[in-house]
Amino acid sequence: ETGVTQSPTHLIKTRGQQVTLRCSSQSGHNTVSWYQQALGQGPQFIFQYYREEENGRGNFPPRFSGLQFPNYSSELNVNALELDDSALYLCASSLENRGSEQYFGPGTRLTVT
Amino acid sequence: AQSVTQLGSHVSVSEGALVLLRCNYSSSVPPYLFWYVQYPNQGLQLLLKYTSAATLVKGINGFEAEFKKSETSFHLTKPSAHMSDAAEYFCAVSPSGSARQLTFGSGTQLTVLP
Repeated sequence: ETGVTQSPTHLIKTRGQQVTLRCSSQSGHNTVSWYQQALGQGPQFIFQYYREEENGRGNFPPRFSGLQFPNYSSELNVNALELDDSALYLCASSLENRGSEQYFGPGTRLTVT
Repeated sequence: AQSVTQLGSHVSVSEGALVLLRCNYSSSVPPYLFWYVQYPNQGLQLLLKYTSAATLVKGINGFEAEFKKSETSFHLTKPSAHMSDAAEYFCAVSPSGSARQLTFGSGTQLTVLP
């Protein structure tokens, strides 16, 4: 059974640029959630996708957007990057009918300069 | 609305001593509760979860937690700390039912002293 994978591991972007982060769900999982973890803080929920539809959104502006594909992999897109977007971005997958047990990937460390 | 408070951003224990990490939650609906562990430069690993079955939940690596509704608490314990337990621990809450967003506490950094 393959766990949750994310790419890239690290990246550096300049303020104002756009970035795409990718996530492959654990085998058989149909729900993916994205979280932002700033340095020294707990993860904060960005949004969740279930069967390719957005299924909930946290307190993040519209420049944070996402996609889920038929194979349940997912992308997180962030436009007009700001310095405060520097964080660890975590993807988590789960089965909709298995409660809220979410399995996390290793994360993508984004640095905005 | 849901929230989690973790008391103590840093906890130090001696190797072999009891580990107690505190978590209090607020939820307007019956909650699911979780403890995750994060090692440096890694993602989150699920330690244990409460989903309205037994109130004493046993997890991996010898950890357990007890759901106390009257105290709105879900404290994490381990009888004997090991050096490998040094990590950041996060308590999280979600509405009961199907997969929903997790609301995390701010974390507790556990240091294990030799």
